[in-house]
Amino acid sequence: NAGVMQNPRHLVRRRGQEARLRCSPMKGHSHVYWYRQLPEEGLKFMVYLQKENIIDESGMPKERFSAEFPKEGPSILRIQQVVRGDSAAYFCASSPPNGRGYTFGSGTRLTVV
Amino acid sequence: GESVGLHLPTLSVQEGDNSIINCAYSNSASDYFIWYKQESGKGPQFIIDIRSNMDKRQGQRVTVLLNKTVKHLSLQIAATQPGDSAVYFCAENTGAGNMLTFGGGTRLMVKP
Repeated sequence: NAGVMQNPRHLVRRRGQEARLRCSPMKGHSHVYWYRQLPEEGLKFMVYLQKENIIDESGMPKERFSAEFPKEGPSILRIQQVVRGDSAAYFCASSPPNGRGYTFGSGTRLTVV
Repeated sequence: GESVGLHLPTLSVQEGDNSIINCAYSNSASDYFIWYKQESGKGPQFIIDIRSNMDKRQGQRVTVLLNKTVKHLSLQIAATQPGDSAVYFCAENTGAGNMLTFGGGTRLMVKP
């Protein structure tokens, strides 16, 4: 039973480019969450999604960031026109509807140069 | 705003000793707490959880204690091993949604 799969593991983008981060939830999990982690800090909630529905995006920056979880395929976190401050580790987690059994992926480390 | 915080940023222990990692939370509405272990370059790994209707829960070599009176959470690791070296985070859920609020983390260093 594969865990939460994230790709790519490492992503380097130049300032102004777009970054696309992918997350496939655990089998049987219908809810996906994205978190951001800066070095030596805890994870900060960004967005919570179900299939084709954003449940809570209170942690998402108002501009340049978007997330989706389509009916088919992985969840995507998209960052447009990246800036150096976007450099961080982005973690995806999934859970069943009750939120218990939260499982995290290995993360995507985004570096903006 | 309300948040989860930790008392000690770094904890150094001798192999074989017991470790205690502490966490203070301020949201009295939180009803579910989780401890995660994060090794370098990896995602958070679930260790143990506890609901607010309990004050103690034990796992294999780990025990979580919850004191709702003073809003304090602790993780006890028995017979600490080098493989326990990592950053440990507590996280809370208020029950209003499935989002977790994480503390800042404590780095546990185990000396052989």
